[in-house]
Amino acid sequence: EIVLTQSPDFQSVTPKDKITITCRASQFIGNSLHWYQQKTDQSPKLLIKSASQSFSGVPSRFSGSGSGTEFTLTINSLEAEDAATYYCHQSSSLPFTFGPGTKVDIK
Amino acid sequence: QVQLQESGPGLVKPSQTLSLTCTVSGDSISSGTYYWSWIRQPAGKGLEWIGRVYASGSTTYNPSLKSRLTISIDTSKNQFSLKLSSVTAADTAVYFCASISTWYSSVDYWGQGTLVTVSS
Repeated sequence: EIVLTQSPDFQSVTPKDKITITCRASQFIGNSLHWYQQKTDQSPKLLIKSASQSFSGVPSRFSGSGSGTEFTLTINSLEAEDAATYYCHQSSSLPFTFGPGTKVDIK
Repeated sequence: QVQLQESGPGLVKPSQTLSLTCTVSGDSISSGTYYWSWIRQPAGKGLEWIGRVYASGSTTYNPSLKSRLTISIDTSKNQFSLKLSSVTAADTAVYFCASISTWYSSVDYWGQGTLVTVSS
């Protein structure tokens, strides 16, 4: 089973900040890495698929990059509504696995 | 846009079988565009992929749950279902049904989730 780790675990930021969240895979996964946003008491929502492709309707301030074993999610000019936990997910091999999440708090 | 809605009991006794159904709207479950999947999340914790079913009825399960798990599909009702047997308190979680793109394998759409508590 592929293990995903995320850093940081938690980040407190102010509006208009830029943040970068890193996801590392325990083995090579190509670009089979996706990012989700989960707000409190809501289901997750897809932000980025295949490492760098934005999902339909996602604001342009969200972007993804990386391949192989290291990936990043960048949020430019953070807004208050971006307070959430962000998860990465690998679909390179079964069973699919998720990272432990990065909680982003807006000051 | 695909919409998914979970339904089923919110309380299950230990050793019994947890049964949930997901009703899909906005797409035919037979279209072949998606795998239909279950994912769960214990309170305050991360996400665990449970398994998936394709329109053909073909299934893939998480090995950690495989011995207790059945996922099935009913194309006539545009629904798919989860059965998890011999449950314990460790199976208490919010259960999400979801659609996984057959092209990218991303989880494109999620249901709102339903809390299932295992307790006597």
